[in-house]
Parts: sequence; structure tokens; C-alpha cells
Amino acid sequence: DTAVSQTPKYLVTQMGNDKSIKCEQNLGHDTMYWYKQDSKKFLKIMFSYNNKELIINETVPNRFSPKSPDKAHLNLHINSLELGDSAVYFCASRSTTGTYGYTFGSGTRLTVV
Amino acid sequence: LAKTTQPISMDSYEGQEVNITCSHNNIATNDYITWYQQFPSQGPRFIIQGYKTKVTNEVASLFIPADRKSSTLSLPRVSLSDTAVYYCLVGDRALYNQGGKLIFGQGTELSVKP
Repeated sequence: DTAVSQTPKYLVTQMGNDKSIKCEQNLGHDTMYWYKQDSKKFLKIMFSYNNKELIINETVPNRFSPKSPDKAHLNLHINSLELGDSAVYFCASRSTTGTYGYTFGSGTRLTVV
Repeated sequence: LAKTTQPISMDSYEGQEVNITCSHNNIATNDYITWYQQFPSQGPRFIIQGYKTKVTNEVASLFIPADRKSSTLSLPRVSLSDTAVYYCLVGDRALYNQGGKLIFGQGTELSVKP
């Protein structure tokens, strides 16, 4: 009954590879996000989708491409992985009519070697 | 979006009350104050939100003075399991309701010792 689930939880890959992280929420929320948390614990927003429409696209390399097949799913595809992409990536969702803020997934720890 | 300043770290002992203060001098009229908690290896979790005065729930209390330029998260009788990073966020509710974003600062790393 996990509210926001991400897969995989851990991902170790070599430089130059392409990888995807999947996110699903069963809360009926209409907005989903991708956040990146670096080694210094700063959480930075990357993308936001509202009802499958891209709302926020922060200054992120175009190697990162989000895709939202429906409002319950938001996947993140990363091309040509670099060492600096190593971080924990969090998916989150919320309802634009609610007041309870974000619900975050448990994160995907990406390590590029 | 209003910038927030909070202590980088705090130490406490089990059973004590912990107060974490957040400064947000340029808070706007429409802004709400929200606190999140992040345990190691987990995503942040909403714990409390307020606009003014005092808000209390089963987890914490939030005190907001009349000028709203700061706020204090109060955790009563902390336990080891309260060890986490606590983030103070200030956001325009209108942006919030339109799919906007909240900016996370560095947070306060609370360490509770036995």
C-alpha cells in the first residue's frame, strides 16, 4: 500500500550508460515531481508534471528526460550518465487541491562509476 | 520565494524538548510555513504547516510570531527515532496550488542521544 513507490532503490552503473528510474503514486494526486539530493543533502527540484503536462523544468541537462504516461506515473530517463549524476533521486506527488504538501518516495540511490 | 535560514545541526538527549527556529525575514503575505522531516535513506515527510500563531498536531507544534519573520518547530520529549533532518519551507500558497515548487534549504540535522 505504498503511496509513492520508486524503482529501483539502488542503481550502480558505468559512465556513458543510459538508465531509467520509475515512479508510481496511488494517492490520486495530479502533480508529480523529481528531486535530486546531492551528498550535501540539498534537495533540488528537477521537473514537475501536472496531469501529464510538464510544468516545471529546472536547469537540468537535456540528458535527463522525464516522461509521464498518465498522472499516476512519472519516469526519469538519463542518457550518457556522468560521475556527477551520482545522487539520490526522489519522486514526489501532491494534489493541487489539498493542503498536505508533498508525499515523497523512498528514493533511488544512483551511483555512476 | 522567501529564503529560509536555520541551524545546520542540533544535538539533544532523549526526553528533552527540542526547538528548531527558522528565519524567513522576507516572507510574503500569502506564504505559508511548512516543516518536513527526513529520516536517513527516506524521502522527506510533511509534519506541520501554519500561517500564524500556533499550530499543533500529534507530531509537533509550530509557533509563529505576529510578524511571521521566523517560526519555531517544537518537538516534545524527543526519542532516538526523532534523529533526522528537519526542513523549514516557505511558499506562496497560490503557486503551491498551481503545481508550483517549494525550495528546500539545507535543513537542520537533529541528533538525539541516549
